[in-house]
Amino acid sequence: AQKVTQAQTEISVVEKEDVTLDCVYETRDTTYYLFWYKQPPSGELVFLIRRNSFDEQNEISGRYSWNFQKSTSSFNFTITASQVVDSAVYFCALSGDNTDKLIFGTGTRLQVFP
Amino acid sequence: NAGVTQTPKFRVLKTGQSMTLLCAQDMNHEYMYWYRQDPGMGLRLIHYSVGEGTTAKGEVPDGYNVSRLKKQNFLLGLESAAPSQTSVYFCASAEIDRGLKETQYFGPGTRLLVL
Repeated sequence: AQKVTQAQTEISVVEKEDVTLDCVYETRDTTYYLFWYKQPPSGELVFLIRRNSFDEQNEISGRYSWNFQKSTSSFNFTITASQVVDSAVYFCALSGDNTDKLIFGTGTRLQVFP
Repeated sequence: NAGVTQTPKFRVLKTGQSMTLLCAQDMNHEYMYWYRQDPGMGLRLIHYSVGEGTTAKGEVPDGYNVSRLKKQNFLLGLESAAPSQTSVYFCASAEIDRGLKETQYFGPGTRLLVL
Protein backbone atom coordinates (compact mmCIF):
# COMPACT_ATOMS: atom_id res chain seq x y z
CA ALA A 1 0.00 0.00 0.00
CA GLN A 2 1.09 3.55 -0.61
CA LYS A 3 0.66 6.31 1.89
CA VAL A 4 1.74 9.89 2.43
CA THR A 5 1.74 11.46 5.87
CA GLN A 6 1.91 15.17 6.53
CA ALA A 7 1.76 15.29 10.30
CA GLN A 8 1.71 19.08 10.51
CA THR A 9 -1.85 20.22 10.00
CA GLU A 10 -1.14 23.91 10.34
CA ILE A 11 1.98 26.03 10.81
CA SER A 12 2.11 29.73 11.59
CA VAL A 13 5.26 31.80 11.23
CA VAL A 14 6.20 35.43 11.05
CA GLU A 15 7.58 36.81 7.82
CA LYS A 16 11.28 36.14 7.22
CA GLU A 17 11.30 33.05 9.38
CA ASP A 18 12.43 29.76 7.85
CA VAL A 19 9.88 26.96 7.89
CA THR A 20 10.06 23.25 7.08
CA LEU A 21 7.09 21.19 6.00
CA ASP A 22 7.44 17.49 6.68
CA CYS A 23 6.42 14.65 4.38
CA VAL A 24 6.83 10.95 5.14
CA TYR A 25 5.86 8.33 2.59
CA GLU A 26 5.34 4.58 2.39
CA THR A 27 5.65 2.49 -0.74
CA ARG A 28 6.79 -0.97 -1.77
CA ASP A 29 7.75 0.17 -5.25
CA THR A 30 11.47 0.39 -5.92
CA THR A 31 10.87 3.20 -8.38
CA TYR A 32 8.55 5.99 -7.36
CA TYR A 33 7.97 9.70 -7.73
CA LEU A 34 7.42 12.39 -5.13
CA PHE A 35 5.74 15.73 -5.67
CA TRP A 36 4.93 18.94 -3.85
CA TYR A 37 1.97 21.09 -4.82
CA LYS A 38 0.90 24.48 -3.50
CA GLN A 39 -2.74 25.48 -3.10
CA PRO A 40 -3.03 29.23 -2.46
CA PRO A 41 -6.24 30.79 -1.12
CA SER A 42 -7.49 31.16 -4.70
CA GLY A 43 -7.85 27.38 -4.79
CA GLU A 44 -5.84 26.19 -7.75
CA LEU A 45 -3.16 23.52 -7.39
CA VAL A 46 0.28 24.64 -8.46
CA PHE A 47 3.00 22.13 -9.19
CA LEU A 48 6.25 22.89 -7.34
CA ILE A 49 8.60 19.96 -7.74
CA ARG A 50 8.91 16.35 -8.82
CA ARG A 51 11.62 14.00 -7.58
CA ASN A 52 12.37 10.49 -8.84
CA SER A 53 13.36 7.84 -6.30
CA PHE A 54 16.63 7.14 -8.07
CA ASP A 55 17.72 10.74 -7.72
CA GLU A 56 18.48 11.61 -4.10
CA GLN A 57 20.06 14.96 -4.78
CA ASN A 58 18.51 17.77 -2.85
CA GLU A 59 17.16 20.67 -4.83
CA ILE A 60 17.07 24.39 -4.32
CA SER A 61 14.91 26.82 -6.23
CA GLY A 62 15.18 30.36 -4.95
CA ARG A 63 13.82 30.39 -1.40
CA TYR A 64 12.52 26.84 -1.75
CA SER A 65 14.54 23.73 -1.04
CA TRP A 66 13.70 20.06 -0.80
CA ASN A 67 15.45 17.37 1.23
CA PHE A 68 14.87 13.83 -0.06
CA GLN A 69 16.08 11.05 2.26
CA LYS A 70 15.26 7.48 1.26
CA SER A 71 16.68 6.14 4.54
CA THR A 72 13.91 7.85 6.48
CA SER A 73 11.31 7.85 3.65
CA SER A 74 11.01 11.60 3.88
CA PHE A 75 10.74 14.41 1.37
CA ASN A 76 10.74 17.63 3.37
CA PHE A 77 10.18 21.11 1.99
CA THR A 78 11.85 24.20 3.42
CA ILE A 79 10.97 27.81 2.71
CA THR A 80 13.72 30.23 3.63
CA ALA A 81 12.85 33.78 4.64
CA SER A 82 9.13 33.16 4.33
CA GLN A 83 6.83 35.78 2.84
CA VAL A 84 3.13 36.47 3.19
CA VAL A 85 2.62 35.22 -0.38
CA ASP A 86 3.82 31.79 0.76
CA SER A 87 0.62 31.40 2.77
CA ALA A 88 -1.12 28.38 1.28
CA VAL A 89 -1.88 24.73 1.79
CA TYR A 90 0.99 22.54 0.67
CA PHE A 91 0.47 18.96 -0.44
CA CYS A 92 3.03 16.21 -0.72
CA ALA A 93 2.15 13.38 -3.13
CA LEU A 94 3.51 10.01 -4.18
CA SER A 95 3.18 7.94 -7.33
CA GLY A 96 4.62 4.44 -7.59
CA ASP A 97 5.99 3.11 -10.82
CA ASN A 98 3.46 0.29 -10.81
CA THR A 99 0.44 2.51 -10.52
CA ASP A 100 -1.15 5.30 -12.49
CA LYS A 101 -2.40 6.97 -9.34
CA LEU A 102 -1.14 9.92 -7.34
CA ILE A 103 -1.54 9.58 -3.58
CA PHE A 104 -1.84 12.84 -1.67
CA GLY A 105 -1.12 13.67 1.92
CA THR A 106 -3.73 15.62 3.84
CA GLY A 107 -1.83 18.87 3.40
CA THR A 108 -0.18 21.43 5.67
CA ARG A 109 -1.68 24.87 5.95
CA LEU A 110 1.05 27.49 6.21
CA GLN A 111 0.18 30.95 7.43
CA VAL A 112 2.83 33.62 7.19
CA PHE A 113 2.07 36.76 9.17
CA PRO A 114 3.60 40.15 8.40
CA ASN B 1 -2.29 27.22 -24.45
CA ALA B 2 -4.93 27.12 -21.72
CA GLY B 3 -3.64 23.96 -19.99
CA VAL B 4 -6.44 22.22 -18.10
CA THR B 5 -9.85 23.88 -17.94
CA GLN B 6 -12.97 22.88 -16.03
CA THR B 7 -16.62 23.72 -16.58
CA PRO B 8 -18.54 24.90 -14.59
CA LYS B 9 -16.63 26.70 -11.86
CA PHE B 10 -19.49 26.47 -9.36
CA ARG B 11 -22.80 24.65 -9.23
CA VAL B 12 -25.62 24.11 -6.76
CA LEU B 13 -27.69 20.95 -7.11
CA LYS B 14 -30.65 19.52 -5.28
CA THR B 15 -30.47 15.96 -4.01
CA GLY B 16 -31.32 13.56 -6.81
CA GLN B 17 -30.43 15.88 -9.67
CA SER B 18 -27.84 14.91 -12.23
CA MET B 19 -25.02 16.86 -13.80
CA THR B 20 -21.85 16.51 -15.82
CA LEU B 21 -18.54 18.19 -15.11
CA LEU B 22 -16.35 18.82 -18.13
CA CYS B 23 -12.57 18.76 -18.16
CA ALA B 24 -10.59 19.76 -21.22
CA GLN B 25 -6.85 19.81 -21.81
CA ASP B 26 -4.92 21.16 -24.76
CA MET B 27 -1.56 19.56 -23.99
CA ASN B 28 -2.26 16.32 -25.88
CA HIS B 29 -1.84 14.35 -22.65
CA GLU B 30 -2.77 10.70 -22.60
CA TYR B 31 -3.68 10.47 -18.92
CA MET B 32 -6.54 12.31 -17.25
CA TYR B 33 -7.87 12.18 -13.70
CA TRP B 34 -10.77 13.32 -11.55
CA TYR B 35 -10.21 14.06 -7.85
CA ARG B 36 -12.37 15.39 -5.09
CA GLN B 37 -11.05 17.52 -2.27
CA ASP B 38 -12.70 17.55 1.13
CA PRO B 39 -11.57 19.37 4.28
CA GLY B 40 -8.86 17.50 6.16
CA MET B 41 -8.70 14.68 3.62
CA GLY B 42 -6.46 15.96 0.88
CA LEU B 43 -7.32 14.93 -2.66
CA ARG B 44 -8.83 11.56 -3.42
CA LEU B 45 -8.93 9.95 -6.84
CA ILE B 46 -12.40 9.24 -8.22
CA HIS B 47 -11.73 7.89 -11.72
CA TYR B 48 -8.98 8.15 -14.25
CA SER B 49 -8.21 7.40 -17.88
CA VAL B 50 -5.01 6.23 -19.51
CA GLY B 51 -6.17 7.05 -23.01
CA GLU B 52 -9.09 7.81 -25.28
CA GLY B 53 -11.89 5.32 -24.79
CA THR B 54 -10.51 3.94 -21.50
CA THR B 55 -11.51 4.59 -17.90
CA ALA B 56 -10.64 3.07 -14.54
CA LYS B 57 -11.80 3.37 -10.95
CA GLY B 58 -9.87 5.25 -8.36
CA GLU B 59 -10.16 5.38 -4.61
CA VAL B 60 -13.74 6.74 -4.31
CA PRO B 61 -15.65 5.89 -7.52
CA ASP B 62 -19.11 5.19 -6.09
CA GLY B 63 -21.84 7.54 -7.29
CA TYR B 64 -19.79 8.79 -10.25
CA ASN B 65 -19.38 7.80 -13.87
CA VAL B 66 -16.85 9.02 -16.42
CA SER B 67 -16.31 9.01 -20.15
CA ARG B 68 -13.32 9.74 -22.36
CA LEU B 69 -14.72 9.84 -25.87
CA LYS B 70 -12.13 12.33 -27.07
CA LYS B 71 -8.51 12.49 -25.98
CA GLN B 72 -8.77 16.09 -24.86
CA ASN B 73 -11.96 15.72 -22.80
CA PHE B 74 -12.78 13.82 -19.63
CA LEU B 75 -16.34 13.99 -18.33
CA LEU B 76 -17.44 13.29 -14.76
CA GLY B 77 -21.11 12.48 -14.24
CA LEU B 78 -23.27 12.43 -11.16
CA GLU B 79 -26.46 10.53 -11.96
CA SER B 80 -28.26 11.23 -8.69
CA ALA B 81 -26.47 13.79 -6.57
CA ALA B 82 -26.25 13.34 -2.79
CA PRO B 83 -25.18 15.83 -0.10
CA SER B 84 -22.09 13.66 0.50
CA GLN B 85 -20.92 14.68 -2.96
CA THR B 86 -20.58 18.30 -1.91
CA SER B 87 -16.93 18.92 -2.59
CA VAL B 88 -14.38 20.64 -4.77
CA TYR B 89 -13.60 18.61 -7.88
CA PHE B 90 -10.28 18.82 -9.63
CA CYS B 91 -9.32 17.46 -13.00
CA ALA B 92 -5.72 16.74 -13.93
CA SER B 93 -3.80 15.51 -16.94
CA ALA B 94 -0.37 13.99 -17.43
CA GLU B 95 1.89 12.51 -20.05
CA ILE B 96 3.81 9.28 -19.69
CA ASP B 97 7.08 9.53 -21.51
CA ARG B 98 8.91 6.26 -22.22
CA GLY B 99 7.70 4.81 -18.94
CA LEU B 100 8.85 7.77 -16.89
CA LYS B 101 5.95 9.15 -14.98
CA GLU B 102 5.30 12.76 -15.73
CA THR B 103 3.78 15.46 -13.60
CA GLN B 104 0.04 15.87 -13.24
CA TYR B 105 -1.23 19.35 -14.03
CA PHE B 106 -4.46 20.45 -12.46
CA GLY B 107 -7.44 22.49 -13.55
CA PRO B 108 -8.82 25.34 -11.44
CA GLY B 109 -11.47 23.20 -9.74
CA THR B 110 -15.27 23.04 -9.64
CA ARG B 111 -17.14 23.77 -6.44
CA LEU B 112 -20.26 21.63 -6.12
CA LEU B 113 -22.87 22.09 -3.43
CA VAL B 114 -25.61 19.49 -3.12
CA LEU B 115 -28.56 20.55 -1.00
